[in-house]
Parts: sequence; structure tokens; C-alpha cells
Amino acid sequence: DQQVKQNSPSLSVQEGRISILNCDYTNSMFDYFLWYKKYPAEGPTFLISISSIKDKNEDGRFTVFLNKSAKHLSLHIVPSQPGDSAVYFCAASAQRGSYIPTFGRGTSLIVHP
Amino acid sequence: ETGVTQTPRHLVMGMTNKKSLKCEQHLGHNAMYWYKQSAKKPLELMFVYSLEERVENNSVPSRFSPECPNSSHLFLHLHTLQPEDSALYLCASSQGTGTEKLFFGSGTQLSVL
Repeated sequence: DQQVKQNSPSLSVQEGRISILNCDYTNSMFDYFLWYKKYPAEGPTFLISISSIKDKNEDGRFTVFLNKSAKHLSLHIVPSQPGDSAVYFCAASAQRGSYIPTFGRGTSLIVHP
Repeated sequence: ETGVTQTPRHLVMGMTNKKSLKCEQHLGHNAMYWYKQSAKKPLELMFVYSLEERVENNSVPSRFSPECPNSSHLFLHLHTLQPEDSALYLCASSQGTGTEKLFFGSGTQLSVL
């Protein structure tokens, strides 16, 4: 049973618009969440994270929102750029348990010029 | 060289072959991981080593055998694999301190014929 779910396998967005990638989790012990970005033929690279004590974390064009009651988080990219085209993985971990992240299936983002 | 380096980048092997994947991290991290990425599936954790001791083994078949001789090196020995083992094998490292940001290598794309 998947504990971290990314239900949209792909997303297509016009350059300059907002990209919103969604992630849901089922394990209430998860309290630390990460987003990774993966280009073809490369390993995933860390993008942004958020602790459960916050509901928002921002880094430049990237913002992650956390809704603990809904067990939902989202990654917003504004404005989207063609170079953002990649697969985005959501991951979650429990800092007081096994801290090893559990990953979702990923969402493939395509940003059109 | 910095980061996490994996060799080889590509590997084609028959079902009766024995091969090894190599991973080296230059980040001074204490934990190293093997993940498997199959098409349209989440990143699957295979093995975790912390301070050279195996701390997690996610019910991986015995045809996969990890080895961690020191905190900088990790191997995955392969023997009598099946075609369904064809996947991207990713190595990662982390500080091993709790809020785990993983640093990934570029992966080995394995094809089992």
C-alpha cells in the first residue's frame, strides 16, 4: 500500500504560468516532507523541504504548502520555465521513527515555451 | 570530484551473469542507500547502511547482495537476475542525522536479458 501518492503522472504547463504538483500521504507519523527533481539520465536532486511545524516554505520560484489535516502537500512553481521540465518526486519521513524517506511515483512536468 | 558517483552508467547482463554496481560518495556522509526505480513506480528502497552497518533490508531477493566496506563506498552485487530486475538502480547518501536530505548518484541503468 502506497503511503505517498502522486496521482497525476504528468502535467503540462505554459511557460510563465504556475505549475502545481500535488502529493498525498497516509501515514500520520510523517512529519518531514521533501521534493526532488529528476532530469533524464540523472539522479534526483533535492529541491525543497518542509517540516510539519510549518504550513509553507518558499525558496525563490518554488513554494511548498502543507495541509496536515488533509495529509496533502503541493509544490508551486511560479513562473514556470522550460528548464523546469523534469520528473518531480514527493517524499515523506518520520523524524522520530525511521527517518528514511518514502517516495511517491513522481509527476512528469512539461513546460512549453 | 564531489557528490555521489555511480559506475557503470549502463549495464546489460544475462540471467546467468554476475556483476557488481559501485557507488562512491565524497560528501563525508554516514549513511548510504540503494534504491530501485522501475517505470511508473515509486522509488523503492532496497538497502540502507549507517556507519557501515546494514540498518534496513526491504525484503529484497537474495540475488541482490549489498556490501559496504567503508562509509564512502557501497556495492550491489548481482547474480542470476531476472528480466523483471531491469531498472534504474540509484545510490544515495545522507548525513544520517534525522531530517534526511538524500544526495543521489546518476544511477546505473540495468537491462537483464
